Amino acid sequence: NAGVTQTPKFQVLKTGQSMTLQCAQDMNHNSMYWYRQDPGMGLRLIYYSASEGTTDKGEVPNGYNVSRLNKREFSLRLESAAPSQTSVYFCASMNRRAFNEKLFFGSGTQLSVL
Amino acid sequence: GEDVEQSLFLSVREGDSSVINCTYTDSSSTYLYWYKQEPGAGLQLLTYIFSNMDMKQDQRLTVLLNKKDKHLSLRIADTQTGDSAIYFCAESYSGGGADGLTFGKGTHLIIQP
Repeated sequence: NAGVTQTPKFQVLKTGQSMTLQCAQDMNHNSMYWYRQDPGMGLRLIYYSASEGTTDKGEVPNGYNVSRLNKREFSLRLESAAPSQTSVYFCASMNRRAFNEKLFFGSGTQLSVL
Repeated sequence: GEDVEQSLFLSVREGDSSVINCTYTDSSSTYLYWYKQEPGAGLQLLTYIFSNMDMKQDQRLTVLLNKKDKHLSLRIADTQTGDSAIYFCAESYSGGGADGLTFGKGTHLIIQP
């Protein structure tokens, strides 16, 4: 079972470069999420998608855009990367409003912006 | 808004019990969760408890929920070196939208030999 798959695992960017983080889940979940994890800050929600065709801002959306391409895929785009976006990024998915809601995570993308 | 608090570090001796504590603010939480993150990996669901339960036991893990005090704890019996990780408390609430779970900042569990 693949679960939640994120690519790439590692990326180094120069300030101002753009990139897209890819995420796909094979559990037929309706909701998908992008978090960033920074030392001492825990997990912070960037954007989420409650269902196919909808996206909403989370706690820290500035500098990011997302696309819910279909039910399986949810991508995160950095249009002009900044050093403050150096972080570990996690994609996650769940069936919101299921009887027992469980959030499943990908293995993360470590991004460095120089 | 919702808030989940936990201490940043806990150090225990191998073989002892570890107790990781968490407090939350949203009284409408439906489920409360413990996630484990090993170095270089994503978060994995360790266990969870429904808000109308007081206790849940799963092998070496015991979850206690005090809903009145909004306090959740995770007890790991006979702590082993493989338990060394970051443990995140999280809550799911029924009053809001679909914006996932609210996480604490994580507790680093350090095992001393």
